[in-house]
Amino acid sequence: KQEVTQIPAALSVPEGENLVLNCSFTDSAIYNLQWFRQDPGKGLTSLLLIQSSQREQTSGRLNASLDKSSGRSTLYIAASQPGDSATYLCAVRKRDDKIIFGKGTRLHILP
Amino acid sequence: GAVVSQHPSRVICKSGTSVKIECRSLDFQATTMFWYRQFPKQSLMLMATSNEGSKATYEQGVEKDKFLINHASLTLSTLTVTSAHPEDSSFYICSARDGWNTGELFFGEGSRLTVL
Repeated sequence: KQEVTQIPAALSVPEGENLVLNCSFTDSAIYNLQWFRQDPGKGLTSLLLIQSSQREQTSGRLNASLDKSSGRSTLYIAASQPGDSATYLCAVRKRDDKIIFGKGTRLHILP
Repeated sequence: GAVVSQHPSRVICKSGTSVKIECRSLDFQATTMFWYRQFPKQSLMLMATSNEGSKATYEQGVEKDKFLINHASLTLSTLTVTSAHPEDSSFYICSARDGWNTGELFFGEGSRLTVL
């Protein structure tokens, strides 16, 4: 059974610092992995999608890596800003097409 | 990026009435759409998966007669909460997969349902 874990559950970081969010999954047979952010009371915004054959994706200040063999993905945020405060979710698409979400990391950037 | 429009964003209804929520992919054809429910400070709970033109596949514990899903076209799926009760009050979110390209998931803004 695929399980997706995100650590830490919550994180507070001073503005300007670089930070890393972690996502681990138990079954390496995945189709892809996607990172999202969710603002309170809102839907999810897609940040980065990494196909199973890829090792990383970059978009602006965000960089996501994928290591299938160890069942890990990281989301790196450079030069954090208060607007980055949100809940970050990772989701794994399994080979049977089911999508499993982690419980998210609540990120708070301190001005 | 691709846009998924979900409507209404908020709805308040009386117990016993039915509520319909629409989910549209605006600039791509969604081969598959998903409906989720989210409780406060919890992650998303998948309710059902729908493919265009076929019956939705419901997750265990989700009543298909309670939560009617229709995916009539490649750009529109609807969720109807029938005979709503206060315990159905929740945040419902749809997502659509751009299956013809990368398979990336895009989400709607969510619908807050309050049943009085």
